[in-house]
Amino acid sequence: GQQLNQSPQSMFIQEGEDVSMNCTSSSIFNTWLWYKQEPGEGPVLLIALYKAGELTSNGRLTAQFGITRKDSFLNISASIPSDVGIYFCAGQNKGAQKLVFGQGTRLTINP
Amino acid sequence: GAGVSQTPSNKVTEKGKYVELRCDPISGHTALYWYRQSLGQGPEFLIYFQGTGAADDSGLPNDRFFAVRPEGSVSTLKIQRTERGDSAVYLCASSFTGTSAPREQFFGPGTRLTVL
Repeated sequence: GQQLNQSPQSMFIQEGEDVSMNCTSSSIFNTWLWYKQEPGEGPVLLIALYKAGELTSNGRLTAQFGITRKDSFLNISASIPSDVGIYFCAGQNKGAQKLVFGQGTRLTINP
Repeated sequence: GAGVSQTPSNKVTEKGKYVELRCDPISGHTALYWYRQSLGQGPEFLIYFQGTGAADDSGLPNDRFFAVRPEGSVSTLKIQRTERGDSAVYLCASSFTGTSAPREQFFGPGTRLTVL
């Protein structure tokens, strides 16, 4: 089946630093999504991307849908303590409802 | 409540037992999804309901897993003859459906299942 490779698996950064993570797929997706999950909770949608090449921002978060439709990246600028959590990319095929998730990037911020 | 709710939040059972996990979707959402999340992994799709019917059950791992949504609202995921490998967090999500995208999936907090 389709698999998403997300990197890095974990990041340890200082507060105020910028963060970049990416996701690659062996096959094409029509929609890319980025979620954040905190302990004991379900994933929460951060950004959704619907067109190849699309660049979308949500506050300090920026994500792009790769031209090949096989990749996406998420940037977080000027990180703050509440950014801590696990970030997941997810792909969705046209006409399908199910989401295919990456393995996640665990973000830790050192005070 | 305003969000997706799942009960119980935690379930500990013994190998071979039967368990039921419940999901209450957001009111008015016609689509409902079940995912399974193993430790250190992303959620994996199990089954998707559109109304009362299972529109895609391709993610169910074997015939020990079954889900129902008899009235098009609450859903129950049923696992027979549980195995230790079934231990995971089971997530439920719901969304609106319609002819236009997007159809954001809103997730519940999950049920953590532990099979001893």
